[in-house]
Amino acid sequence: NAGVMQNPRHLVRRRGQEARLRCSPMKGHSHVYWYRQLPEEGLKFMVYLQKENIIDESGMPKERFSAEFPKEGPSILRIQQVVRGDSAAYFCASSPIGGYEQFFGPGTRLTVL
Amino acid sequence: AQSVTQLDSQVPVFEEAPVELRCNYSSSVSVYLFWYVQYPNQGLQLLLKYLSGSTLVKGINGFEAEFNKSQTSFHLRKPSVHISDTAEYFCAVSDIAGGTSYGKLTFGQGTILTVHP
Repeated sequence: NAGVMQNPRHLVRRRGQEARLRCSPMKGHSHVYWYRQLPEEGLKFMVYLQKENIIDESGMPKERFSAEFPKEGPSILRIQQVVRGDSAAYFCASSPIGGYEQFFGPGTRLTVL
Repeated sequence: AQSVTQLDSQVPVFEEAPVELRCNYSSSVSVYLFWYVQYPNQGLQLLLKYLSGSTLVKGINGFEAEFNKSQTSFHLRKPSVHISDTAEYFCAVSDIAGGTSYGKLTFGQGTILTVHP
């Protein structure tokens, strides 16, 4: 059973560009979570999604950030008009329905020049 | 609102010595508790979890943790560390909502464990 997949592993963008981060949950998992790890900080919750539904986006910045988890395909975290402060590691985790554990992907390290 | 405090940002220790990484939490509701380990440039791996039952939980790689409800603590211990245990360790909590985990994890700031030969 493949683990949580994230791509790309490393992403470089210039200020003002868009960044798209993809997450494929473990087989059979229908819950996806996104976390951000800023330098010198711990991991912060961003958003919790189920298929075609955003359950909790209380940790998402109000502007430029959006997330989706379509019926088919991976979950996407989209950052529009990136700024240097968006440079961070973005982790995706998944869990099955009723599951208590979250399984993490290897992360996408975003660098904004 | 929940919060997690890891009392030590860095813990240096010699190989084969015991280690304890401290974690305290605050929450107005019952919680599930987790310890994760992160090796450099990798994702997080679950070490152990407390959901209910025995307050002493055993995890992978010889780690264990004890849930203390009165002190709201969940300290991680290992009786004898190896060089390969050098990593960053995160304590996390999750609300129990309606009997099932709501899911959202609140993490501590992390503790960097460095094992010296």
